[in-house]
Amino acid sequence: RKEVEQDPGPFNVPEGATVAFNCTYSNSASQSFFWYRQDCRKEPKLLMSVYSSGNEDGRFTAQLNRASQYISLLIRDSKLSDSATYLCVVKVGNTPLVFGKGTRLSVIA
Amino acid sequence: DVKVTQSSRYLVKRTGEKVFLECVQDMDHENMFWYRQDPGLGLRLIYFSYDVKMKEKGDIPEGYSVSREKKERFSLILESASTNQTSMYLCASSQGGEKLFFGSGTQLSVL
Repeated sequence: RKEVEQDPGPFNVPEGATVAFNCTYSNSASQSFFWYRQDCRKEPKLLMSVYSSGNEDGRFTAQLNRASQYISLLIRDSKLSDSATYLCVVKVGNTPLVFGKGTRLSVIA
Repeated sequence: DVKVTQSSRYLVKRTGEKVFLECVQDMDHENMFWYRQDPGLGLRLIYFSYDVKMKEKGDIPEGYSVSREKKERFSLILESASTNQTSMYLCASSQGGEKLFFGSGTQLSVL
């Protein structure tokens, strides 16, 4: 069973749309959760951490459901510049981060 | 801002060659990592290091070795390059292990 699973997409959405990605993780001992963003032919960069109470950063909202072991990312009012691959990431103890394979988003004019 | 520098953006090597990929970070981070990224397979951890002279195998260490003689430098070595090692190689560093800073990657082609 894969440790972090994501729908690979692509999600093709028009500008201004709201889009949501989910991610499930298998290790119930996972302690920390993140979303990274990777633009085409670029390196991944941290987008936001995910907290138990949920957190928002501008148009982006991240939620964590520990009972069901899933994480979500909601993007409101999508922009062309949001087109990227979004990587779900979890951390267990002192071990290295575990990356999902990513969900590709294309925002279309 | 943290800078993680990988020595080459593109590299072409022949099968059987010994290949060195260099990575340097300028923020005194304790932790350094080497990943490879392939279409459909995502990021896969090759080796990591939490201190100078320390190294740990990741998920796919076969065919690779690493060296960390100085805190700021983490080298990935392909002892005898093979075509299935053609990939994008990404180095990363972190202090607490949560926020990773990646280099811009080395696209290695083994012919």
